[in-house]
Amino acid sequence: SQQGEEDPQALSIQEGENATMNCSYKTSINNLQWYRQNSGRGLVHLILIRSNEREKHSGRLRVTLDTSKKSSSLLITASRAADTASYFCATDNTDKLIFGTGTRLQVFP
Amino acid sequence: DTGVSQNPRHKITKRGQNVTFRCDPISEHNRLYWYRQTLGQGPEFLTYFQNEAQLEKSRLLSDRFSAERPKGSFSTLEIQRTEQGDSAMYLCASSFRRTGPQDEQFFGPGTRLTVL
Repeated sequence: SQQGEEDPQALSIQEGENATMNCSYKTSINNLQWYRQNSGRGLVHLILIRSNEREKHSGRLRVTLDTSKKSSSLLITASRAADTASYFCATDNTDKLIFGTGTRLQVFP
Repeated sequence: DTGVSQNPRHKITKRGQNVTFRCDPISEHNRLYWYRQTLGQGPEFLTYFQNEAQLEKSRLLSDRFSAERPKGSFSTLEIQRTEQGDSAMYLCASSFRRTGPQDEQFFGPGTRLTVL
């Protein structure tokens, strides 16, 4: 079963714009992770944020975590056509990952 | 290549046949996970190992599914008497479990199973 949901389900933007994806989850967590998946391929780990952290940056990525609201957001700044992919959040509270339903991001050149 | 590898990448089989997939984790990783992903959905947890011990199995893992990690290195996932509903991408991931919070899992490219 899925832990939660990403919002929006799909997002289309122009290159150079920022993309924001939100993730909600249901239970307490040790950490939350974001992954990217290109069509039909394996998942690539993007960033991990622990339950005692509120914000984390990695290159063009910014992740926030609000454990009181059980939600997280992923911001991709200055998007590129190569960022086109599905993005999943995954929560870890019992040593396994529980994934959301994903956001399909399309970045047009 | 020091990433997680999976073989085969694609498998087409007829309903009722048995199939076996292999996963080779990153060499120093002691944990190995299997997930299943259907079209348009996020991956769903199936089972995981710490070294050779299978520590947890999902309710999704029916008695037709069996996973092994005999020497704590590579793992196999076997599906007996395949059904069309087994068609999915099977993903393997590995991680290194220290004491304390879990760290990121590294995924392989997946094995895409099609049951005709």
